[in-house]
Amino acid sequence: AQKVTQAQTEISVVEKEDVTLDCVYETRDTTYYLFWYKQPPSGELVFLIRRNSFDEQNEISGRYSWNFQKSTSSFNFTITASQVVDSAVYFCALSGNNQGGKLIFGQGTELSVKP
Amino acid sequence: DVKVTQSSRYLVKRTGEKVFLECVQDMDHENMFWYRQDPGLGLRLIYFSYDVKMKEKGDIPEGYSVSREKKERFSLILESASTNQTSMYLCASSVRAPNTEAFFGQGTRLTVV
Repeated sequence: AQKVTQAQTEISVVEKEDVTLDCVYETRDTTYYLFWYKQPPSGELVFLIRRNSFDEQNEISGRYSWNFQKSTSSFNFTITASQVVDSAVYFCALSGNNQGGKLIFGQGTELSVKP
Repeated sequence: DVKVTQSSRYLVKRTGEKVFLECVQDMDHENMFWYRQDPGLGLRLIYFSYDVKMKEKGDIPEGYSVSREKKERFSLILESASTNQTSMYLCASSVRAPNTEAFFGQGTRLTVV
């Protein structure tokens, strides 16, 4: 069975703080793919990043960075120097190699960045 | 600009009504999905289609059916709407490969009264 857990339901920070969103996954597939999506108040999910299970290199994109650790089955997302525009619900998702593209989502973390 | 379009942003229906939620994508994607989003539960897969006329049940198919007569269109049908189907419904599409992202519509917030 596949499962994604985002234990943090809500996080509130003040602008310019760093914040880390946690994601833990379970899968029996040896090859799988992990994703992060952002859902702003408008409602449409926006793709942020994809990571393959065989590539444990961390990634940085501007203020965003992702830490993938197979040993702990985690794929955490850090926003550095948060801004009000980062306020959104963030979802972590998993797709197994034999799942035909089906995405399994976590519960989501609602991030509120206050000025 | 790639697009997934859901026919309604907000919908109010009565208990027992048959409800159709429509979704159209313009990217020639093989896969299309219907998810339901509820607070604290994230997105849960209702149905998945990987080709015209093909469908697979997701995690919560009870009370729902789907139709995919054309590649670009995927319809979600609530056979007899009930109040516990009040929710946000999200349609998505992707190419048929596990390592590609899905593209989402703007969502339909359905209220069943």
